[in-house]
Amino acid sequence: SQKIEQNSEALNIQEGKTATLTCNYTNYSPAYLQWYRQDPGRGPVFLLLIRENEKEKRKERLKVTFDTTLKQSLFHITASQPADSATYLCALVGNQGGKLIFGQGTELSVKP
Amino acid sequence: DAGVIQSPRHEVTEMGQEVTLRCKPISGHNSLFWYRQTMMRGLELLIYFNNNVPIDDSGMPEDRFSAKMPNASFSTLKIQPSEPRDSAVYFCASGDGTFSYEQYFGPGTRLTVT
Repeated sequence: SQKIEQNSEALNIQEGKTATLTCNYTNYSPAYLQWYRQDPGRGPVFLLLIRENEKEKRKERLKVTFDTTLKQSLFHITASQPADSATYLCALVGNQGGKLIFGQGTELSVKP
Repeated sequence: DAGVIQSPRHEVTEMGQEVTLRCKPISGHNSLFWYRQTMMRGLELLIYFNNNVPIDDSGMPEDRFSAKMPNASFSTLKIQPSEPRDSAVYFCASGDGTFSYEQYFGPGTRLTVT
């Protein structure tokens, strides 16, 4: 069956370090992969989209990689700040269209 | 723009009652999505509209759930009759394309069915 896995354990890092979050998938051939941020009590907020033919995408302090061979995406936040503390969700879109499937999310905590 | 607007923000109801959740998408967006989020199952797509037409409702749990989009600026998700297992946060999202494009989420409605 199709499955998306994100680090289930919360990630705790020190301010200024790089946070790396992982999204693995099985039995998918996603045409696109998206990353969202969700703060407590709020809806997810779109951050980045990467296509299957793109290896890497950057936006300010954010970087996303997409390895279709490993079936994995990595999400990096460089020079992390306490304000980056939130839950980060990855979401996949199949190449036949269809649903946007979300992972369970990884909670990131950046300590000052 | 005010973003996606949902009402009510919180709803507490008794089992068996009808619940109606409302959503106003961002003006100009032609896609609207209803999601449900729980700790156990995460964020799940319930139904998706494009140009006010339901495209994929395979995520709707059962016949107790129904959704409508009478015009481009309004959608409802109805649960009748409600059950305790329907307790969750329900999000509405809108977008200007298909699934492949970014979606803008509302603040959600926290539903508690006792």
